[in-house]
Amino acid sequence: DIQMTQSPSSLSASVGDRVTITCQASQDISNYLNWYQQKPGKAPKLLIYDASNLETGVPSRFSGSGSGTDFTFTISSLQPEDIATYYCQQYDNLPWAFGQGTKVEIK
Amino acid sequence: EVQLVESGGGLIQPGGSLRLSCAASGFTVSSNYMSWVRQAPGKGLEWVSVIYSGGSTYYADSVKGRFTISRDNSKNTLYLQMNSLRAEDTAVYYCARGGGVVDPWGQGTLVTVSS
Repeated sequence: DIQMTQSPSSLSASVGDRVTITCQASQDISNYLNWYQQKPGKAPKLLIYDASNLETGVPSRFSGSGSGTDFTFTISSLQPEDIATYYCQQYDNLPWAFGQGTKVEIK
Repeated sequence: EVQLVESGGGLIQPGGSLRLSCAASGFTVSSNYMSWVRQAPGKGLEWVSVIYSGGSTYYADSVKGRFTISRDNSKNTLYLQMNSLRAEDTAVYYCARGGGVVDPWGQGTLVTVSS
């Protein structure tokens, strides 16, 4: 099974800061990598699919990059409404696997 | 508007059974891949099962042989039959459209396995 290692597990940043989260797959998954946002008490929401494609309606301050085993998720200018936990997910092979999550807080 | 509404969760004793339902609107369940994903209290997301539009089904090893995913095309509803429930199955269960790229998700239904 493919393992997804996401880091950091949590971070604290100021409004307007650039925030970066990394996700590493245990084997090559090409670009079969998604990023989800989960706000407290809510269901996850798809932000980025296929490593770098922004889902319709998602603000352009969110972006993703990478292929193979190493991926990056970036918030270019952190906003108060971005407080959430972010998860990467591979879907190259079943069982699909999520990273452990990164909790983003405002400093 | 695409919407998913789960129901059927609750408190159940270890070894018991429960069936979760996921009523869909705004799209046709049978024409899409449909997934179940769960989240234990305070923990991360865990993929549980998927049913493809063609009817093939797949499960996480942790639930294989105990859970069954199915759909009722006439009701446009997805199901998850859960048998031989264990304490470690305690979680919020989300249904979602898609397999691989999963969106949107329902609001989730809480399953608590405890004596």
